[in-house]
Amino acid sequence: DGGITQSPKYLFRKEGQNVTLSCEQNLNHDAMYWYRQDPGQGLRLIYYSQIVNDFQKGDIAEGYSVSREKKESFPLTVTSAQKNPTAFYLCASSISSGGLFNTEAFFGQGTRLTVV
Amino acid sequence: AQKVTQAQTEISVVEKEDVTLDCVYETRDTTYYLFWYKQPPSGELVFLIRRNSFDEQNEISGRYSWNFQKSTSSFNFTITASQVVDSAVYFCALRVHGSSNTGKLIFGQGTTLQVKP
Repeated sequence: DGGITQSPKYLFRKEGQNVTLSCEQNLNHDAMYWYRQDPGQGLRLIYYSQIVNDFQKGDIAEGYSVSREKKESFPLTVTSAQKNPTAFYLCASSISSGGLFNTEAFFGQGTRLTVV
Repeated sequence: AQKVTQAQTEISVVEKEDVTLDCVYETRDTTYYLFWYKQPPSGELVFLIRRNSFDEQNEISGRYSWNFQKSTSSFNFTITASQVVDSAVYFCALRVHGSSNTGKLIFGQGTTLQVKP
């Protein structure tokens, strides 16, 4: 079945630790995105990548890093520089049509990160 | 600047009632896309509909219908004869088509719908 897989579903981080959230897609989509969701707020864009080996900062990139070495994979690292990392993280992907991203984005099931 | 506003934070209805979720957007782009997503308790966002700025036709899909009005910059979503399974958080989102077409979605804050039996 085609889709987006995020792992783990729940993740606990100690103060000062870096943690990496996994996102894999087998939809052959060009673009991938990371969003953060906090209670009572909409989703905010952290990073996005339109093509392999290229990625751009979103609205709230500070304290996060990503890589896009393969089309299928877009891991997100939450670094110790992120002061308030407790949140729900959603990965998404979308296809491009002639270089334009006009279609809907498909989302994974999310990773809930908690700082302990 | 682009923005999406969902003024209703929470709505509670009794099963079989009709309910409308409001969405107002702001953009100066003439070409853009509007979306509705459903987020059930499991967390995954489920795509419901996409509408482009040149297509103001209303759409009906089963119990769901959408009313797109450019004159008021609104893209409202109505559920007819609501069911308990409709309980979820619903997000309206905007994507612009400008020179920086990145595929980025701008989300509203979401409306939590609770349908009671």
